[in-house]
Amino acid sequence: DVKVTQSSRYLVKRTGEKVFLECVQDMDHENMFWYRQDPGLGLRLIYFSYDVKMKEKGDIPEGYSVSREKKERFSLILESASTNQTSMYLCASSLAPLTGTREQYFGPGTRLTVT
Amino acid sequence: ELKVEQNPLFLSMQEGKNYTIYCNYSTTSDRLYWYRQDPGKSLESLFVLLSNGAVKQEGRLMASLDTKARLSTLHITAAVHDLSATYFCAVALDDKIIFGKGTRLHILP
Repeated sequence: DVKVTQSSRYLVKRTGEKVFLECVQDMDHENMFWYRQDPGLGLRLIYFSYDVKMKEKGDIPEGYSVSREKKERFSLILESASTNQTSMYLCASSLAPLTGTREQYFGPGTRLTVT
Repeated sequence: ELKVEQNPLFLSMQEGKNYTIYCNYSTTSDRLYWYRQDPGKSLESLFVLLSNGAVKQEGRLMASLDTKARLSTLHITAAVHDLSATYFCAVALDDKIIFGKGTRLHILP
């Protein structure tokens, strides 16, 4: 089974802090994705990566950055956390690119609260 | 701009009944995905539909895609309580993937 793990299930940070969310997958997938999920808005794509050291902006990249130094690990960085970044963050990986023919496998999510 | 609309957004139904969730989208695409999310859990892939007329079935769930009508349906047959969850469709086009807002399905015993 594909396993996507995220470093924390719950996280509470203060406004202005730098926040790192880590995601690791164990199936040698080249493609990895970061989403945020908010009530009434569904999932929105923040960033994605097709390969090591490669990144592409999604629909809502502002206020976020990413890092992919190793194939299995994709990190989401909030440079200076703000209260409007309070959300559920979901990482996913796939054999296929973003609009490809294969499904994405999602991690358990990190619920981030910024106070 | 690609938009994806699901309806209904909330559905409460009795066990044993049949029902259909609809996923409409605004721009021609032949790549549509259905996911399930249990409360407090992450998303799990159900179906990947890749062509007009595609139909896939797994247990009591059947999904279909009509690219000309820009419509996908997720049909539930003889619902059971275990199918209570939120169901999302997602549509891919060019370099974008857009998720619907989800349909929260509550099946009453």
